[in-house]
Amino acid sequence: AQSVTQPDIHITVSEGASLELRCNYSYGATPYLFWYVQSPGQGLQLLLKYFSGDTLVQGIKGFEAEFKRSQSSFNLRKPSVHWSDAAEYFCAVGAKTPGGYNKLIFGAGTRLAVHP
Amino acid sequence: DTEVTQTPKHLVMGMTNKKSLKCEQHMGHRAMYWYKQKAKKPPELMFVYSYEKLSINESVPSRFSPECPNSSLLNLHLHALQPEDSALYLCASSLTYQETQYFGPGTRLLVL
Repeated sequence: AQSVTQPDIHITVSEGASLELRCNYSYGATPYLFWYVQSPGQGLQLLLKYFSGDTLVQGIKGFEAEFKRSQSSFNLRKPSVHWSDAAEYFCAVGAKTPGGYNKLIFGAGTRLAVHP
Repeated sequence: DTEVTQTPKHLVMGMTNKKSLKCEQHMGHRAMYWYKQKAKKPPELMFVYSYEKLSINESVPSRFSPECPNSSLLNLHLHALQPEDSALYLCASSLTYQETQYFGPGTRLLVL
């Protein structure tokens, strides 16, 4: 069965520090992978996605992620965190249903706090 | 423009009320989705519409009734809800059912 694991429930970093959020997936075929960010009480904003090709993916707000098939991972990184990055981050895999639909399976999320 | 709009932003309803949530997109997307998100949990898929036809119903109780009047609009009709149905309801859309999903800001629902 398809699944996504985000091992870190909470992460706290200082403003200006680097960030890495971990994501591991379980999926039989080549996965479609996504990172979304959610501020409190808001909807989900797409940060970046991986479908195929270059395994290092650039996204919005200075984020990047690297797909590593051998490790079944899709970790999110940012070299210097800003206070406005404090939010909940969800990793998701797009899993094909029997009908061919792209169903998003989300990880539990990682809540990021940023200290000034 | 990747904007999905949802109204209302907040909704409080009693267990005997009937209300509707509305979702709209003008990106030419042909797939639209309803998700339910409880506090501190990831979103859970409820329904998928593809080309205005209901394609996936994730065993959602019949007190939730989706409707897709046209390719830009998706409604969720609510009737006889329970307090445990209180949640953030998110709408999303994608170009086709195989493409990236873009989410709206959500409707926060409280059932008393």
